[in-house]
Amino acid sequence: DAKTTQPNSMESNEEEPVHLPCNHSTISGTDYIHWYRQLPSQGPEYVIHGLTSNVNNRMASLAIAEDRKSSTLILHRATLRDAAVYYCILRDYTGNMLTFGGGTRLMVKP
Amino acid sequence: EAGVAQSPRYKIIEKRQSVAFWCNPISGHATLYWYQQILGQGPKLLIQFQNNGVVDDSQLPKDRFSAERLKGVDSTLKIQPAKLEDSAVYLCASSLANRGLDTGELFFGEGSRLTVL
Repeated sequence: DAKTTQPNSMESNEEEPVHLPCNHSTISGTDYIHWYRQLPSQGPEYVIHGLTSNVNNRMASLAIAEDRKSSTLILHRATLRDAAVYYCILRDYTGNMLTFGGGTRLMVKP
Repeated sequence: EAGVAQSPRYKIIEKRQSVAFWCNPISGHATLYWYQQILGQGPKLLIQFQNNGVVDDSQLPKDRFSAERLKGVDSTLKIQPAKLEDSAVYLCASSLANRGLDTGELFFGEGSRLTVL
């Protein structure tokens, strides 16, 4: 599986934007970039995914570098409920398996 | 829509005992996954089913772990005998996606927390 690299932890102030980076320099042309997050004592939940173009949904935005070797998950206004571990994952379009790394623990300060 | 159901939520056993976890995926989801999450780490895939067939079980410790999905709906993960290092949260997930489709969004249950003493 292609690997991703994320910072172990990040801090943000409530109601400010948060940019969570992910490096995936070995990404292949058929790999989709997925983001999941895991709140305390819960299973991971899907956030967003994309291939080449930037993507927006009700939860977040995903900005993908032109060379696709990195991406950034953007939370436009962090809330206390966004405090979670965020996982950046690569998945080949032919398979369903998702391999999680260590993720980034986001702490949100009031 | 009902989510992925797992039971039990918590289980404490002694080493060398056996334990079983049950998962009922979202209705209509063809693919079912079992993940192991050790404290402080990301989830690690143990086994993936497509309907009632195994797609990938390369990381399942087959000497002690077994899983089945006999009718292509709910699934059971068993550990026998348990070791101390099996203490973890066991997560079940399901998805609609079949091979060749992009969506691949996984829906996770809340997990079953196992403590082996």
